[in-house]
Amino acid sequence: KAGVTQTPRYLIKTRGQQVTLSCSPISGHRSVSWYQQTPGQGLQFLFEYFSETQRNKGNFPGRFSGRQFSNSRSEMNVSTLELGDSALYLCASSSPASNTGELFFGEGSRLTVL
Amino acid sequence: SQQGEEDPQALSIQEGENATMNCSYKTSINNLQWYRQNSGRGLVHLILIRSNEREKHSGRLRVTLDTSKKSSSLLITASRAADTASYFCATDAGTGANNLFFGTGTRLTVIP
Repeated sequence: KAGVTQTPRYLIKTRGQQVTLSCSPISGHRSVSWYQQTPGQGLQFLFEYFSETQRNKGNFPGRFSGRQFSNSRSEMNVSTLELGDSALYLCASSSPASNTGELFFGEGSRLTVL
Repeated sequence: SQQGEEDPQALSIQEGENATMNCSYKTSINNLQWYRQNSGRGLVHLILIRSNEREKHSGRLRVTLDTSKKSSSLLITASRAADTASYFCATDAGTGANNLFFGTGTRLTVIP
């Protein structure tokens, strides 16, 4: 079974640009969560999607948005990039059939904003 | 702000020794999980302990949970160089949802 796939793995943008990151969850997983990891703030929850609906949202500005498609694939978008948006963005999926609460993470997309 | 704080921030031990990491959290929880992250990579789930459990084992891992003190510990026995990684505790803050609150992490270095 393939794991969680995130693309692109690395990207460089400049301030003011926007970026779209993609996440393909494990087959059969309908929940996709996104996290931002920075040296200063650590791992912070961005949002979670389940069956194409945003189920939870973290404390991030409206520049951060996401969506989920009918095949459970998810994208997140960051508009008007700021230097502080440089981070590792991690996507995680989970199975509704699982009662363990375990999240399966992708390898992340490392965003550098110049 | 993050839900959890971990202690120590960094730990360096010799191969074969045991490593203990501690995690404190702030609110009621349904469960607490531990994850491992190799440098710059994704997180890998290690073990989950529910709020009504006090201790759990998985291979060389032993996790304890004290809900009265809002703390947990992760013990790795007979450490190996391959255990070198960052370790994070994560809680669900009682929501039961998949928005986990992660601790600050402990950077473990196992010296061969």
